[in-house]
Amino acid sequence: TQLLEQSPQFLSIQEGENLTVYCNSSSVFSSLQWYRQEPGEGPVLLVTVVTGGEVKKLKRLTFQFGDARKDSSLHITAAQPGDTGLYLCAGVTGNQFYFGTGTSLTVIP
Amino acid sequence: EAQVTQNPRYLITVTGKKLTVTCSQNMNHEYMSWYRQDPGLGLRQIYYSMNVEVTDKGDVPEGYKVSRKEKRNFPLILESPSPNQTSLYFCASTRDPTDTQYFGPGTRLTVL
Repeated sequence: TQLLEQSPQFLSIQEGENLTVYCNSSSVFSSLQWYRQEPGEGPVLLVTVVTGGEVKKLKRLTFQFGDARKDSSLHITAAQPGDTGLYLCAGVTGNQFYFGTGTSLTVIP
Repeated sequence: EAQVTQNPRYLITVTGKKLTVTCSQNMNHEYMSWYRQDPGLGLRQIYYSMNVEVTDKGDVPEGYKVSRKEKRNFPLILESPSPNQTSLYFCASTRDPTDTQYFGPGTRLTVL
């Protein structure tokens, strides 16, 4: 059961550009998390959003949780090569985690 | 250092040969979980455990077993591995599902 759809699946941009990654579902989640994963490593948590409509900022990254707690977005301002990686959203419902399909981001210097 | 460890990191085996992947965490976390990661499918939760002696099925539990006899350890058992279980496996732990989830380094399993 794939509850979370991420888009785009792949994204290749120039350094300095802005981008947005979307995480959509028809299900309601009690919380939603965003992770970044480097090749050969496990995912690392970036942020957790809990309240519908919540916006969190982490330096150049802005995370938003939809009002209905069914979707989320990740916006990166002025992308840098160090932002390159696989971005994963994960919704929590009950005590289970449901991960999105992932967005592979490449930032070209 | 707070960490989740998995062993082995790489494993090649044959169909039907029982195997165990170990997972251990040193953060006294209540919640532990196993995932598999496949191209185009993201991470899918196999089993999770809220505490010692408490385990629950995740999204894709078929063909897997787990146990939680001690708080720090959560082994994943494949009684009779099949080629469709070839995947990258991650163990993770957290204080509770709304808190930071820490992942192990992964185990790449190939079943021939």
